[in-house]
Amino acid sequence: DAGVIQSPRHEVTEMGQEVTLRCKPISGHDYLFWYRQTMMRGLELLIYFNNNVPIDDSGMPEDRFSAKMPNASFSTLKIQPSEPRDSAVYFCASSLRQSGNTIYFGEGSWLTVV
Amino acid sequence: AQSVTQLDSQVPVFEEAPVELRCNYSSSVSVYLFWYVQYPNQGLQLLLKYLSGSTLVESINGFEAEFNKSQTSFHLRKPSVHISDTAEYFCAVSVRGAQKLVFGQGTRLTINP
Repeated sequence: DAGVIQSPRHEVTEMGQEVTLRCKPISGHDYLFWYRQTMMRGLELLIYFNNNVPIDDSGMPEDRFSAKMPNASFSTLKIQPSEPRDSAVYFCASSLRQSGNTIYFGEGSWLTVV
Repeated sequence: AQSVTQLDSQVPVFEEAPVELRCNYSSSVSVYLFWYVQYPNQGLQLLLKYLSGSTLVESINGFEAEFNKSQTSFHLRKPSVHISDTAEYFCAVSVRGAQKLVFGQGTRLTINP
């Protein structure tokens, strides 16, 4: 079975540019999560969706960050404009309520802003 | 709100030695507990979880963890580690009925030959 698929795997961009990260959750899952991982702050939950509806976006750092889930099989996390402090690994994850809170992670998108 | 504390940021051990990675959580309500493993340059993979029932849970590769409600702990143990166990290990908690996980800071397990 295909797991959570993220793209791009690696991205290097210049400060001020727009960055779009993409995610395809596991088919049939009804929850989707975006996490950010840095050395300083560890794993932080940015936002999560239930049935394509954002439930909690309190972890989104600031207005430069936005996330959408137009349908059950696709989500984006956008940073505009990007800054060097946004450099991190961004993980998308999905889960199914009946699975007892087990969350399945993608391989991550490694973002470097120079 | 829930929180997770992993007491050791790094744990070096020799191959075939036993290891314990410590995890304590804080919550005013019932929780589910998880251990995830992250190998270099990869995403997180579920290692084991406690939802209910037996307080001792095991993984397929020899790890086990015990839920201790009185001490609010969920320590991870393995009686004999292998080089392939080198990774970062994350303890996580979620509230029953809620889906989001709160992670600890991670413990880097280094196995020396």
